[in-house]
Amino acid sequence: EDKVVQSPLSLVVHEGDTVTLNCSYEVTNFRSLLWYKQEKKAPTFLFMLTSSGIEKKSGRLSSILDKKELFSILNITATQTGDSAVYLCAVGPQGGSEKLVFGKGTKLTVNP
Amino acid sequence: DADVTQTPRNRITKTGKRIMLECSQTKGHDRMYWYRQDPGLGLRLIYYSFDVKDINKGEISDGYSVSRQAQAKFSLSLESAIPNQTALYFCATSDPAKGGGNTIYFGEGSWLTVV
Repeated sequence: EDKVVQSPLSLVVHEGDTVTLNCSYEVTNFRSLLWYKQEKKAPTFLFMLTSSGIEKKSGRLSSILDKKELFSILNITATQTGDSAVYLCAVGPQGGSEKLVFGKGTKLTVNP
Repeated sequence: DADVTQTPRNRITKTGKRIMLECSQTKGHDRMYWYRQDPGLGLRLIYYSFDVKDINKGEISDGYSVSRQAQAKFSLSLESAIPNQTALYFCATSDPAKGGGNTIYFGEGSWLTVV
């Protein structure tokens, strides 16, 4: 059975700290790994990592994919209160988005 | 305006009532999905559709039905709502042909409470 495990489940930091969120997975015929940020309601897309794109960076956020060890990390540097959210990891096998498997998320709280 | 719009955004209904959640999108995507999100369980797929004539069951379709009225519209119905269908429901879209791979885009969510 395909599985995505995120850790930690929750994390509280102070503004300015750097955080690392983890996502490990077991999926047959891996195609891509996606990161989403969910603040109040709708998850918003952050990154997609594939065999041909194992590192992504956008501002203070970056992510890498280790296909050999079957995990990804999401790094946020110089955290701000606006980074407080639930971060979701989803892994997609070959065959389409209907097969995406979501982790339960990491709740990040950034205190001033 | 949101690219994926859900109505209603919040709804309280009684056990046994029929309820419909509607979704419309302006992204021009062919594929549409309905998910539910429960605390501790993450996002789970209810139904999905690849085009107007295509409807597929997801992981947890029992107690739900869907209708794809047009490329841009995908509605979810609970024929006889029960309390354990209380959840946050998301509509989502994707279109791999437009280069996004497996990326899906979520609507703003509909809180449904069944009492």
